[in-house]
Parts: sequence; C-alpha cells; structure tokens
Amino acid sequence: AQSVTQLDSQVPVFEEAPVELRCNYSSSVSVYLFWYVQYPNQGLQLLLKYLSGSTLVKGINGFEAEFNKSQTSFHLRKPSVHISDTAEYFCAVSDLRNYGQNFVFGPGTRLSVLP
Amino acid sequence: DAMVIQNPRYQVTQFGKPVTLSCSQTLNHNVMYWYQQKSSQAPKLLFHYYDKDFNNEADTPDNFQSRRPNTSFCFLDIRSPGLGDAAMYLCATSRDRGANVLTFGAGSRLTVL
Repeated sequence: AQSVTQLDSQVPVFEEAPVELRCNYSSSVSVYLFWYVQYPNQGLQLLLKYLSGSTLVKGINGFEAEFNKSQTSFHLRKPSVHISDTAEYFCAVSDLRNYGQNFVFGPGTRLSVLP
Repeated sequence: DAMVIQNPRYQVTQFGKPVTLSCSQTLNHNVMYWYQQKSSQAPKLLFHYYDKDFNNEADTPDNFQSRRPNTSFCFLDIRSPGLGDAAMYLCATSRDRGANVLTFGAGSRLTVL
C-alpha cells in the first residue's frame, strides 16, 4: 500500500521569502507524483507532476519540485512567495499498477504568506 | 472556462433528509470520481466510474450512492445525511484510467443541521 507524509501541517512565511513544502512517500512499486493546490472553498488544482524523466519538475506559478528516489521525497519549492500563494498544498501519489483509481493524497500543508 | 462543474456549490440539509450533488464535465473524460474532504483533511475517495463501470471503495458507507446517466454527468446521492457527513464533496475526472492526472471541480460544501 502507498502512503504520503507531509510533515508540516502549517508553514508561515513572509512575502518574497523562499519556501519548501516537504513530501515523503512510501510505495513498493514505481509511482507518479503530484502536487495540488487548493484555495479556500475551491477544488484542487494541479501544480505539477512527475511521471518520468528529469527529476526536477517545473509547474505553474513559479513552483518546482524535485523527485528524489533514494529518499522517497518530492519536496515543493518556490524561491519567492507572494500573498496570493496562501493556500493548502497537497502532495499525492498514484500507483502505476492501479491507474487512476489509486490516488493517495497527503494530509496537506497550509501555507500562509505574511506581508 | 470551467471544465468540471459542480452544483450546488453550497448545500444545507437537515439530518436524515436526502441530498443530491451533481457534477458535469465538458472534457469527455472516461473516468469520474467522487471525493469527500472534511475540514483540514486530505480528500478521501468514495467511488469512481470508468465509463459505466462503477467502482466502490471498500470503506464507503452504504449511505452514499452514485449515478452516471451519461458520459458528461455524475451524481452523488446521500440517502440519510448525518452530522458526520458534513464536508466538501469534490468531483474529479481523468481521461482514462492510465492518464493519471485528475481535473477537479470547485466542490460542493454540504452542511447538515
């Protein structure tokens, strides 16, 4: 079975500062990895995904993530955050064997960007 | 242009009074999912349709049912809502089972009085 851990439930950061949101996963097989963002009272929006190839993945809104297979991590980073980045961020893993019905989401990290 | 549309965005119901939430998609995706998201928690998959093939998660209560009359529409029926069913309900689609990218709607927030 797969699982996703997001160690930080809340991350406060000042505007224009860098941020890293941590994600670790466990799986016995190869997986796809995703970061989704959820703004208040909205659905989830895909930020970026790792399917294969380069381990550094760039997404929307200036975010990027790096897949580290040896550490089973997929941390999300942004060099300079804006107030508008305040949201909940979910890391997710999908098992290659079970296709679309086997998405597992982490518990989420609430990013608060302070002026 | 919204591609996965959920209605209503906010639904208030009374304890035990049935409620139906709807989801429509313009993407012509084969797979449609219903997730339940309680406050400050990760989305939890209730069930999904692959075309007309219904797939229920093992721990989804019988109180939750779903219908997919055609490719574009999917409904979530809660037969007798309890206080514990208050949550955001998220509809998502994917092109196929192997597509592995979910497109979400904006969600329907259910309040149970």
